[in-house]
Amino acid sequence: QKEVEQDPGPLSVPEGAIVSLNCTYSNSAFQYFMWYRQYSRKGPELLMYTYSSGNKEDGRFTAQVDKSSKYISLFIRDSQPSDSATYLCAIAGNQFYFGTGTSLTVIP
Amino acid sequence: EAGVAQSPRYKIIEKRQSVAFWCNPISGHATLYWYQQILGQGPKLLIQFQNNGVVDDSQLPKDRFSAERLKGVDSTLKIQPAKLEDSAVYLCASRRDGGKLNTEAFFGQGTRLTVV
Repeated sequence: QKEVEQDPGPLSVPEGAIVSLNCTYSNSAFQYFMWYRQYSRKGPELLMYTYSSGNKEDGRFTAQVDKSSKYISLFIRDSQPSDSATYLCAIAGNQFYFGTGTSLTVIP
Repeated sequence: EAGVAQSPRYKIIEKRQSVAFWCNPISGHATLYWYQQILGQGPKLLIQFQNNGVVDDSQLPKDRFSAERLKGVDSTLKIQPAKLEDSAVYLCASRRDGGKLNTEAFFGQGTRLTVV
């Protein structure tokens, strides 16, 4: 069983839509959860991270962790064409375990 | 602060040839990772260093892959001989304090390897 599984997508949404990206993980011991954004031909860059359960908001982005169901989500409000990228969820132990990524395209 | 530097950005080699990638982490970062990212997949850890010691190389195909981090700074990853399935992006990442799990890992741009 993989440490983290991610809804594969791809997703294509109109500009201004709300986007929901989701992952599940297997080990309840993990406590640090991250979302990375990866533009084409670039390395991943950290978008947000959360510790334990709950929500964390940063501008148009909200990261949510539900430890009881081992579910992590990233919501993007008022999506913009510049948000078009691959989004990777990750959980942190001594190393980082990544999901397979969800490709998002926001259409103007 | 300067980011993680990797070179080369792109490399095309024939199968059975050898290739080496170089990584210069962010200054002062003790932990260095090499990840392999195959197209359409998430990054997979190959090897993790803390300073110049190996912490985890359980997923490194040691019959063909090797890595070193001399002096606990720069690192090189080598493949010899390369196979077609090694075609991927090789990402280097560094982290300030390996003992604190909530510190961000910074990624380089990656080296895109194509084996033909």
